Order: sequence, then C-alpha cells, then structure tokens
Amino acid sequence: RKEVEQDPGPFNVPEGATVAFNCTYSNSASQSFFWYRQDCRKEPKLLMSVYSSGNEDGRFTAQLNRASQYISLLIRDSKLSDSATYLCVVNWDSGYSTLTFGKGTMLLVSP
Amino acid sequence: DAGITQSPRHKVTETGTPVTLRCHQTENHRYMYWYRQDPGHGLRLIHYSYGVKDTDKGEVSDGYSVSRSKTEDFLLTLESATSSQTSVYFCAISESIYPPVGHEQFFGPGTRLTVL
Repeated sequence: RKEVEQDPGPFNVPEGATVAFNCTYSNSASQSFFWYRQDCRKEPKLLMSVYSSGNEDGRFTAQLNRASQYISLLIRDSKLSDSATYLCVVNWDSGYSTLTFGKGTMLLVSP
Repeated sequence: DAGITQSPRHKVTETGTPVTLRCHQTENHRYMYWYRQDPGHGLRLIHYSYGVKDTDKGEVSDGYSVSRSKTEDFLLTLESATSSQTSVYFCAISESIYPPVGHEQFFGPGTRLTVL
C-alpha cells in the first residue's frame, strides 16, 4: 500500500520561530518528492522539490532520508504569511507521474 | 502562475444529474490530471491523460469518465452524480513525467461541487 504520513498539527508558532515538519512514506522505491503548500480553500502550490542532496530556497530547507524513508521541511524565521497547510507528496515510480499526497500539516504563525 | 483555469468554479446539482467539469490550460503541457480533495483524505487521483485521446484511470475512478479531444482541454464527467461525489475537484498539469525536472504538477483553482 502506498502511504504518505504526516502529523496533521496544527503547529502553532510565533513569528520568527523555526519550525520543522516530517513526512514518512511507505514505498522504498519512491522516486520523487515534493512539498506543496495549500492555503485555505485554494489550490495546492508547489513549494519545492526534494532531491537526494536536499535543497534550500531562502528560508525553506528540504531534506530527504531514503534509509529511513522520510522527508523534512524546515522553515526559518517564520512569517505570518507562512500560515498554511503543507502537503508532502511522493511520486512512486518513473513510469508515470501520478502523485500520492499526504493529508497535510497545518501551520499557524502568530504575531 | 501556470495558465490553468477550471469551470465552473462552483456548482450545486441534484443526485442523478450529469455534470461536466472543464479544465483548460494555456501551457501546452502534455499531461493532465483530475483529483478530488475531501476532508480526512489527501488529494486522490481520479483520471489522468498523457496526450490527446489518451487517458487512464486513477485511484478513485468509479463513477467518473474523462475526455481529452484537444491538448488544452480535459473534461471530467459525472454521468449520474451522487452525494458521495460532493467534493473539491482540482485539475493539474505537468510538462513531463520523468525526473528530475518538468514533472512537477501545477494545479488549477478548483471546482467546488455539491450534490444534493
């Protein structure tokens, strides 16, 4: 069974805090990994892809741990605008790009 | 933002009626997808298309059909809507299906469908 598990939260943090989310996936043959963010009643938007070496984009850092089958997202210096639900997404194989989505982790950043 | 539109954006219909949702893209991407999103579930794939007239089933395809007669349009049809099909429907597109680049999916704004 192809599963992607996330802590639903919510994670309540003050502005300026650092917060980290983890996501575990069940299939060791997974090929591609992504973090999307979804604002309330909006569509998911790609935040960043996650590759084997990990990657950083400004305040956001994503890491992949294939041995333990999890990916992580670190947000530094949290902003009010970071409040959203963060979706962990896994592509199981390279045959076709159908994605499996986690249910999301809600982040609430307060003043 | 990727050029993806969905219509209608909101629809209320009655059980047993046919419903067609439209996804239109201006990116000329080959691959298109229909998902549904429900509370307590992640997004789930209904159908996808890998080219004009080429489609295949996803995880939750029962009760849905699709058609793609042009690169830019992907239609989702509920032949006879049921209350269990009340959901938010998202269309997505991707340029490729192969890593490392181009296989990310980009989503349309969604259609909120209520079946009474």
